[in-house]
Amino acid sequence: DAGITQSPRYKITETGRQVTLMCHQTWSHSYMFWYRQDLGHGLRLIYYSAAADITDKGEVPDGYVVSRSKTENFPLTLESATRSQTSVYFCASMERGGSGAWNEQFFGPGTRLTVL
Amino acid sequence: GDSVTQMEGPVTLSEEAFLTINCTYTATGYPSLFWYVQYPGEGLQLLLKATKADDKGSNKGFEATYRKETTSFHLEKGSVQVSDSAVYFCALSRGAGSYQLTFGKGTKLSVIP
Repeated sequence: DAGITQSPRYKITETGRQVTLMCHQTWSHSYMFWYRQDLGHGLRLIYYSAAADITDKGEVPDGYVVSRSKTENFPLTLESATRSQTSVYFCASMERGGSGAWNEQFFGPGTRLTVL
Repeated sequence: GDSVTQMEGPVTLSEEAFLTINCTYTATGYPSLFWYVQYPGEGLQLLLKATKADDKGSNKGFEATYRKETTSFHLEKGSVQVSDSAVYFCALSRGAGSYQLTFGKGTKLSVIP
C-alpha cells in the first residue's frame, strides 16, 4: 500500500527498556520526521532526516536515537524508556521542494506508547 | 523563535453553527501557514494552506486568510457538521524549501446534532 505506515500502533513497555518505533514510507520522500504529541503541547519535533544517513535534532531529542540507512525507513529508538516518554508518536515525510515551493508533510497514523 | 498560538479548546458547537478558531503566529520573514486536522484515532491531514500575505486557503467548506498585518490565520466554516468533530492544528513553516513545521497546541472541536 502506498503511503506512510507506523508500527506498532500501540505499545506498552516498562521503565528502562529499549523500544523501537518503526516508520516506512513508499513515496521516496527525501525528508522524514518524528514528532511527539502531548496534551497541552501540540506536536513537537524530536528528530528529522533530510536524506539517507543524514539526521539532525529537533526541539526535544533527549532520550531518543534515530537512524536512516534507507530512504524509506526512519526508526525511532528509546534506548532506556522513561515515564515522561509516554506519548503518541507521529512520523511524517515530505518531498524536498524547490525555491518558492511549499511542502506538505504527510503523517502516519501514530504509535501510542505507554511506559509503566 | 517561531511560535503559533491558537485558541484554547475544547469548542462545542451545534450542527450548522458558525465556526471560528483563532490562530496567531510569531515568525521572522514570510512563513507559510497551514491548518491540519486530526480525526479521532488518525494522523494529521493537511486541511488548507496559504503561502503569502492575503492568500486565502480553502477546502471542505473551511477557509482561512493569511493576514500579515495582524499575524493571523483564523480558521472559519459557515456551517459545521458532526463529521467535522476533530482536533485542528495551526502551523507554520519558514517558507521556501523549509522542512520544519511549528505547531500550535491544537483545538478540539465537538459538533453535536
